[in-house]
Amino acid sequence: AQTVTQSQPEMSVQEAETVTLSCTYDTSESNYYLFWYKQPPSRQMILVIRQEAYKQQNATENRFSVNFQKAAKSFSLKISDSQLGDTAMYFCAFMKRTGNQFYFGTGTSLTVIP
Amino acid sequence: NAGVMQNPRHLVRRRGQEARLRCSPMKGHSHVYWYRQLPEEGLKFMVYLQKENIIDESGMPKERFSAEFPKEGPSILRIQQVVRGDSAAYFCASSPLAGARPGRETQYFGPGTRLLVL
Repeated sequence: AQTVTQSQPEMSVQEAETVTLSCTYDTSESNYYLFWYKQPPSRQMILVIRQEAYKQQNATENRFSVNFQKAAKSFSLKISDSQLGDTAMYFCAFMKRTGNQFYFGTGTSLTVIP
Repeated sequence: NAGVMQNPRHLVRRRGQEARLRCSPMKGHSHVYWYRQLPEEGLKFMVYLQKENIIDESGMPKERFSAEFPKEGPSILRIQQVVRGDSAAYFCASSPLAGARPGRETQYFGPGTRLLVL
């Protein structure tokens, strides 16, 4: 079975500062994908970034980057130059390479303070 | 290219009534997934369908819940005899053709249907 754990229910960061959200997961699979999704107050699920487990290079998307530690089963999200629009719930998610469903963590509520 | 459409966006039902939630996938997508998000929780997988076939329903309750994705029209998630514990946000996602092709693992989410059972 796959499990995803987000140990930080709530976090806050000053505008323009950097914040890191933690995520760990447990799986016996060797090939899989990892994702961070953002859910703003509108409740829409928006893909932020994804990582393929067989790629050692950490994924980056503009101000968003990940620190993927496969051996430690850790997948943290770093948000640089935080903006007010980054205020949202952030969900870490796992998908087996041969699977069809996401396994989501319980989320981290991030507030960007002006 | 319109995104994944879900309707209604909000649905209020009394206990014992039926709830029907609709999902139209993105154009060209033939794979549909339903997830449920209870208050203060992450999304939980319910069911995965392709046109006219249920591929994986391991996350769906055995009773009162059913899903379909007909050859024509949207996918429907149906909840019979709703109870207060069914109150949640129900998200639909779609993806392109399955297989080893790139992009298979990316699911595009709709805006969700918020069901409230009184």
